[in-house]
Amino acid sequence: AQSVTQPDIHITVSEGASLELRCNYSYGATPYLFWYVQSPGQGLQLLLKYFSGDTLVQGIKGFEAEFKRSQSSFNLRKPSVHWSDAAEYFCALLEYGNKLVFGAGTILRVKS
Amino acid sequence: NAGVTQTPKFQVLKTGQSMTLQCAQDMNHNSMYWYRQDPGMGLRLIYYSASEGTTDKGEVPNGYNVSRLNKREFSLRLESAAPSQTSVYFCAARQGGPKYEQYFGPGTRLTVT
Repeated sequence: AQSVTQPDIHITVSEGASLELRCNYSYGATPYLFWYVQSPGQGLQLLLKYFSGDTLVQGIKGFEAEFKRSQSSFNLRKPSVHWSDAAEYFCALLEYGNKLVFGAGTILRVKS
Repeated sequence: NAGVTQTPKFQVLKTGQSMTLQCAQDMNHNSMYWYRQDPGMGLRLIYYSASEGTTDKGEVPNGYNVSRLNKREFSLRLESAAPSQTSVYFCAARQGGPKYEQYFGPGTRLTVT
């Protein structure tokens, strides 16, 4: 069955430091992958998506993600974190029938 | 454009009560979805509607029913609420094929006592 694993429940990063959030997936074919962000009390906003082609994809708010087929990973990165990046981040996989399967989420805390 | 709207924002029910969560989108999207979000579990799909007039079960459909009233509206009904249905509910809408993103509403926080 298709699945998405986000190994880190919480991550704390200092403002200005770099960030990497991990995502691993299980899927039989070429996956369509997404990263969403959820600020407290809000809905989800799409940061970026991967369908095919270049393995490094750029998103909004300075985020990027790298698709590595050999590692079944799609990790999210940002070179310099801002306090406003504190939120919960979800990795998701599009499965058959155009349904999204979400990971459990990673809560990012930013310390000043 | 409001995008995806949900009502109510908050609701408290007693066990056994019924209610309907409303969702509407003004983007003319074909597909609509209902998810529930629980701590440590991400979002799980309850029901979805690929197009007007069709609905299908998702991962966790038990205890819920849906109605795709028209292209704009997709409602979720709890016939007899249970404490296990305490959650945050999100509606989403998406246009056409797999390369289009899902747009999410702001959510409904439901507590069942």
